[in-house]
Amino acid sequence: DAGITQSPRHKVTETGTPVTLRCHQTENHRYMYWYRQDPGHGLRLIHYSYGVKDTDKGEVSDGYSVSRSKTEDFLLTLESATSSQTSVYFCAISESVWDSNDGYTFGSGTRLTVV
Amino acid sequence: AQSVAQPEDQVNVAEGNPLTVKCTYSVSGNPYLFWYVQYPNRGLQFLLKYITGDNLVKGSYGFEAEFNKSQTSFHLKKPSALVSDSALYFCAVFLYGNNRLAFGKGNQVVVIP
Repeated sequence: DAGITQSPRHKVTETGTPVTLRCHQTENHRYMYWYRQDPGHGLRLIHYSYGVKDTDKGEVSDGYSVSRSKTEDFLLTLESATSSQTSVYFCAISESVWDSNDGYTFGSGTRLTVV
Repeated sequence: AQSVAQPEDQVNVAEGNPLTVKCTYSVSGNPYLFWYVQYPNRGLQFLLKYITGDNLVKGSYGFEAEFNKSQTSFHLKKPSALVSDSALYFCAVFLYGNNRLAFGKGNQVVVIP
């Protein structure tokens, strides 16, 4: 998707290892979000950021941490990966749902498998 | 709690027939509602939103949604479904004070040729 890139697109990792997913935007949007998508659960918010070094927890934040040292990058870290964290992870950006035409812009996702 | 609900897991419809995907909401204050579509192995794409004004909102790819305040619903509709409309559809509501959206569980739409 234009203006937002997630890396890697796919990753297989072992239980207990740390993993970092990266979200990079070129839109200079203020807000950035990390969601996970699982069958039967839809999209669930992990963490979000409302500015550089300003982050907050979402509804499923346990086992995850985030950092935002620059406007364009929002990193999601699984501190010690578990099989329950096997999922598809999506990053999203927005300037403001009040002003933008389309709410969020989503990345293409990262498929993470923890074995 | 502020949320949206999508009561059906899957909707099957024959090509050319009308398509309806249901969404109900629960918010305090005026609702700001969105529909997104997800094609296989892709991120979500914006279809349309209701902020204020006309209850019938028109969006991308021939979709529209009807806001009904008395029934707290925001159903997505398309008069004539195409096979290419087969996808996962998400309803979302804006959460006051947090500048973020809460999403429903999603509806799989299957359009049968």
